[in-house]
Amino acid sequence: EADIYQTPRYLVIGTGKKITLECSQTMGHDKMYWYQQDPGMELHLIHYSYGVNSTEKGDLSSESTVSRIRTEHFPLTLESARPSHTSQYLCASSEYSGRARYEQYFGPGTRLTVT
Amino acid sequence: GNSVTQMEGPVTLSEEAFLTINCTYTATGYPSLFWYVQYPGEGLQLLLKATKADDKGSNKGFEATYRKETTSFHLEKGSVQVSDSAVYFCALSDRDYKLSFGAGTTVTVRA
Repeated sequence: EADIYQTPRYLVIGTGKKITLECSQTMGHDKMYWYQQDPGMELHLIHYSYGVNSTEKGDLSSESTVSRIRTEHFPLTLESARPSHTSQYLCASSEYSGRARYEQYFGPGTRLTVT
Repeated sequence: GNSVTQMEGPVTLSEEAFLTINCTYTATGYPSLFWYVQYPGEGLQLLLKATKADDKGSNKGFEATYRKETTSFHLEKGSVQVSDSAVYFCALSDRDYKLSFGAGTTVTVRA
């Protein structure tokens, strides 16, 4: 059973506020990911990390930033939220699992609404 | 590069009907293939996987066979239930650490 947690599950916030979406996993996985999911349900990778102190930008450009100070924690921050940031944000983690390579485990997601 | 193309939805079925969702892929190496499912209001869950050609993944009555000759990994279930209503994603994992996802197919099963 995967143990990856995201808080808050739902967030409604005004324009210009700073927000941090939390993601934690208890599986000791070295690789973690953030996805943005649009209303059409398509997933876009926005950030990933290979391990502590490693962060990379994903395929979709995002104004958010991430940090990886501890293996289990991969928070995402928006310095100044805008309505265009309204979306579902999904966190995932993985480790090498032999022939299945990098099978990813997902958190429940944070639904962000910026008014 | 890697890419996944899956059948466009939405798909609406009656209970006990047969479900097929087509998925084809392009990859430079020898990928592993996955189907993920997302129930309303939740994150993605791994439904099944296959790691080499001719492998069949199965779970909860769903099956998919890794076909290298047709670069396909179609998802099937013989008799769907209302509880199978969800969004289904086909994905592949190649030599790097990232998954390539299809666009997702929304399935609605009516009682």
